[in-house]
Amino acid sequence: AQRVTQPEKLLSVFKGAPVELKCNYSYSGSPELFWYVQYSRQRLQLLLRHISRESIKGFTADLNKGETSFHLKKPFAQEEDSAMYYCALRFHTGGFKTIFGAGTRLFVKA
Amino acid sequence: DTGVSQNPRHKITKRGQNVTFRCDPISEHNRLYWYRQTLGQGPEFLTYFQNEAQLEKSRLLSDRFSAERPKGSFSTLEIQRTEQGDSAMYLCASSLAEAGDTQYFGPGTRLTVL
Repeated sequence: AQRVTQPEKLLSVFKGAPVELKCNYSYSGSPELFWYVQYSRQRLQLLLRHISRESIKGFTADLNKGETSFHLKKPFAQEEDSAMYYCALRFHTGGFKTIFGAGTRLFVKA
Repeated sequence: DTGVSQNPRHKITKRGQNVTFRCDPISEHNRLYWYRQTLGQGPEFLTYFQNEAQLEKSRLLSDRFSAERPKGSFSTLEIQRTEQGDSAMYLCASSLAEAGDTQYFGPGTRLTVL
């Protein structure tokens, strides 16, 4: 069955420290993976997708098919990065279905 | 265009009552999605429309739930005979398949079943 696992519910780091939010997935086909972010009192929004291979707000994520992981990284955390982060897997089942992990709350301390 | 809108933003109802939520997607977005989110969890997929056609429906969705998108624009999600376990945030998202298919989320409707 398809599954997305985010093992950490809360991650707390100091400003300027590196950040890694973990995401593991279970899917037998070719995965399409995303990171979504929800800032306080804002809507859920797309942060980045693996096929774009881009850096958004200093964040990058590399798909590792061998380890079935899609960890989100940033070398130097900023206070404005504090938010809820969700990893998501999209797959085709006749239509498209997206499943989300439970989310990791990132708290960047001054 | 102010993005995806959802109404009402909050709904309190008594167990056994029916409720209906509305989602207005971004203009010309041809895909529309409904999710449910409970405390401490990520959004859970409920159903998905391509224009007016409902192409995917979660097996987790009981017969009490129904969604429509009659003209391929706005969508409604109805829950019949509500139960306390239906209390959650109901999220709608829309996307344009031909433009990267990025899902844009609405603010959600928070349902409380007493």
